[in-house]
Amino acid sequence: GAGVSQSPRYKVTKRGQDVALRCDPISGHVSLYWYRQALGQGPEFLTYFNYEAQQDKSGLPNDRFSAERPEGSISTLTIQRTEQRDSAMYRCASSLTGSDTEAFFGQGTRLTVV
Amino acid sequence: GENVEQHPSTLSVQEGDSAVIKCTYSDSASNYFPWYKQELGKRPQLIIDIRSNVGEKKDQRIAVTLNKTAKHFSLHITETQPEDSAVYFCAASRISGYALNFGKGTSLLVTP
Repeated sequence: GAGVSQSPRYKVTKRGQDVALRCDPISGHVSLYWYRQALGQGPEFLTYFNYEAQQDKSGLPNDRFSAERPEGSISTLTIQRTEQRDSAMYRCASSLTGSDTEAFFGQGTRLTVV
Repeated sequence: GENVEQHPSTLSVQEGDSAVIKCTYSDSASNYFPWYKQELGKRPQLIIDIRSNVGEKKDQRIAVTLNKTAKHFSLHITETQPEDSAVYFCAASRISGYALNFGKGTSLLVTP
């Protein structure tokens, strides 16, 4: 596709349910990042992949959060046993060759846990 | 990990004036410093970036300066226009293999 695509755009889930957020990066982009962005705040780093390898997951808040990119393209961020504090905009970004090249952001998934 | 501090959090200027946003970073190994603009309800988009081998870069009304010794970099917007109103984020990272870390953002308002 022409840009980074995320789905769903909006997700409302009940507390305790698991959710899976999908990111389809720009074709050919090596690096893929997941961020969480609170309203009016900067993107907060969650995790980062080069190809299928998870390079850094230090930003994942706790073990309920996990991510994968099994074939080095599409990535899934999974949140298990969701809590209200997980409500946020989750953004994916991709870059051609690494964190020192332009990162293109997706439109985000707005997650609301009720 | 890298810690990026950004100031001010809000900035209001008159149309035609200049705006300056400043960031500091903690990781002396960081060598890539992009700036992103995010309009309301939209995704962040890159407006300019600088690497550590240069001290200044300019693109029309936008310029970025970098002081590696002091570990700070700044965004300068001259002749501001109402359409420059947005939230601006600075970021810093090392070469590939490290995360891109963002500041908390500056909400810029340009009044006619």
